[in-house]
Amino acid sequence: NAGVTQTPKFQVLKTGQSMTLQCAQDMNHNSMYWYRQDPGMGLRLIYYSASEGTTDKGEVPNGYNVSRLNKREFSLRLESAAPSQTSVYFCASSEAVAGTYNSPLHFGNGTRLTVT
Amino acid sequence: DQQVKQNSPSLSVQEGRISILNCDYTNSMFDYFLWYKKYPAEGPTFLISISSIKDKNEDGRFTVFLNKSAKHLSLHIVPSQPGDSAVYFCAARSQNAGNMLTFGGGTRLMVKP
Repeated sequence: NAGVTQTPKFQVLKTGQSMTLQCAQDMNHNSMYWYRQDPGMGLRLIYYSASEGTTDKGEVPNGYNVSRLNKREFSLRLESAAPSQTSVYFCASSEAVAGTYNSPLHFGNGTRLTVT
Repeated sequence: DQQVKQNSPSLSVQEGRISILNCDYTNSMFDYFLWYKKYPAEGPTFLISISSIKDKNEDGRFTVFLNKSAKHLSLHIVPSQPGDSAVYFCAARSQNAGNMLTFGGGTRLMVKP
């Protein structure tokens, strides 16, 4: 039971470089999310996809783009990385609307990104 | 301005004693609250939740209490075990915010043997 799988686990970028974080879930969940975790800030939602074919901005979308490739996969792209994007990124999925009864978020193990 | 706050960055408790983790919120539209536990190098895992129509929910050693008038919730762990040592996040969902959960900054719990 893999659950939510994120790749890569670690990445170092130089300012201005681009990269894509990959996420896949095998739980047949409808909704998928990208969060970033910064010290003392908790987890903040970057983008989410309520269902295949839809994406919406979260709390901190600037500097990011997403693609819901199919029901299983949801990628996060940084077009021109900045030091402020140094963070730990978590992908998550849920069967239905996040936080509703019996539909908690299931998280991957994170990608630690450093932008120099 | 953070709508969900965990004012204690860390908490140390002796094994067997009670751990109480606190969380305050400001948005009166929050209608569902969750607690997540996170070990190092892993993603958060769901622990327990409570709807705003209740004031208590219990699951084994874990109990969450909600005080709506004070906009305060707490997680009680009894008895605490060394394996409970982790970072705990509270999260809240607003009735009109769709898929967005708002998380607190986390509290690191250390349970000493």
